[in-house]
Amino acid sequence: KAGVTQTPRYLIKTRGQQVTLSCSPISGHRSVSWYQQTPGQGLQFLFEYFSETQRNKGNFPGRFSGRQFSNSRSEMNVSTLELGDSALYLCASSPGTVLTNEKLFFGSGTQLSVL
Amino acid sequence: AQKITQTQPGMFVQEKEAVTLDCTYDTSDQSYGLFWYKQPSSGEMIFLIYQGSYDEQNATEGRYSLNFQKARKSANLVISASQLGDSAMYFCAMRSSPSNFGNEKLTFGTGTRLTIIP
Repeated sequence: KAGVTQTPRYLIKTRGQQVTLSCSPISGHRSVSWYQQTPGQGLQFLFEYFSETQRNKGNFPGRFSGRQFSNSRSEMNVSTLELGDSALYLCASSPGTVLTNEKLFFGSGTQLSVL
Repeated sequence: AQKITQTQPGMFVQEKEAVTLDCTYDTSDQSYGLFWYKQPSSGEMIFLIYQGSYDEQNATEGRYSLNFQKARKSANLVISASQLGDSAMYFCAMRSSPSNFGNEKLTFGTGTRLTIIP
């Protein structure tokens, strides 16, 4: 079974541009969540989607948005990029139940550098 | 609000020795789950072990065990017989029982960088 796939692996953008990151979850998983990882702030939750609906959102500005398609693939978009948006963006998938022991399966991330 | 604290930014351990990575947590929820993930330099987060708040036994997964002390709100990871491949960042994380359907949010600690010395 293929794991969580994130594309692209690396991305370089300049301030003011926008960017779209893609995440393909494990087959059969209906939940996708996104995390931002920076040396200063650590791992921070961005949002989660289940069956094309956003169920939960972290404390990020409106420049960060996402969506999920009917095949559970998800995209994350960041508009008007700032230098502080440079980070590793991790996507995780899970079957999507309410069980607290349901583990998340992570992709290798997209390393975004904003110049 | 939930909070995870990992007080060891970095640790150096001799190969084949056991190592304990500390994790304390804070939550007002009665039902919650505690996780440990490993992040090698490749970036991918790898699940290691899970402990539920109502589990009476400490969780074990191969060389990994979780020392769960509920009253102290600690969930330390123990790696027995460390190997060179264990060198990585280790994150403690928590998820609480949802009030609404949907609980995929994990709260992470700041991580511990473990280096195994040959």
